[in-house]
Amino acid sequence: KAGVTQTPRYLIKTRGQQVTLSCSPISGHRSVSWYQQTPGQGLQFLFEYFSETQRNKGNFPGRFSGRQFSNSRSEMNVSTLELGDSALYLCASSFDSSSGANVLTFGAGSRLTVL
Amino acid sequence: GNSVTQMEGPVTLSEEAFLTINCTYTATGYPSLFWYVQYPGEGLQLLLKATKADDKGSNKGFEATYRKETTSFHLEKGSVQVSDSAVYFCAGVLGGNQFYFGTGTSLTVIP
Repeated sequence: KAGVTQTPRYLIKTRGQQVTLSCSPISGHRSVSWYQQTPGQGLQFLFEYFSETQRNKGNFPGRFSGRQFSNSRSEMNVSTLELGDSALYLCASSFDSSSGANVLTFGAGSRLTVL
Repeated sequence: GNSVTQMEGPVTLSEEAFLTINCTYTATGYPSLFWYVQYPGEGLQLLLKATKADDKGSNKGFEATYRKETTSFHLEKGSVQVSDSAVYFCAGVLGGNQFYFGTGTSLTVIP
């Protein structure tokens, strides 16, 4: 079956712009999580959506937001981009992460560069 | 609070050397534990997992044993190959349904 698909894979924006990233989970997976990966900070949790509801949220400013659609596809948006937002944004899906036995399956990521 | 702590890198080994990457966790209860691997330019892939104490996860020659008494889940491989060069992340489902990741350990294997 198809894996987790993230689009776009690469994008370049300038400071002050906004960006929307998309994630299509594995078919049947209802939980989608987003992570920011940078060389200095490692992997940081942004938020998790389950059945169109945000279930968990990391410690990021309100410029970072997300949503999930009825087909479990998810988008995240970053407004008023800053240089420090340059990172690899990873999406991961699972059937239901509330069960510890479920694993996260990651997409290849969207690499955002802010100039 | 809940956390996963893993050995700082980078780690450089010669081919066929023995690998250990340490990982410990802080949590209440009995978390599920995982090792993920990230190859250059890719997302994270599940390497192995263990869901209860004394479980041993294994895959591709890698092993890790869930040790509740030491709250550890160290990754080991008896003989590394150049193709094992990647970043390795320890992770756990701690305190409910949230995944916690370690900072990652970069491994380079030289021929």
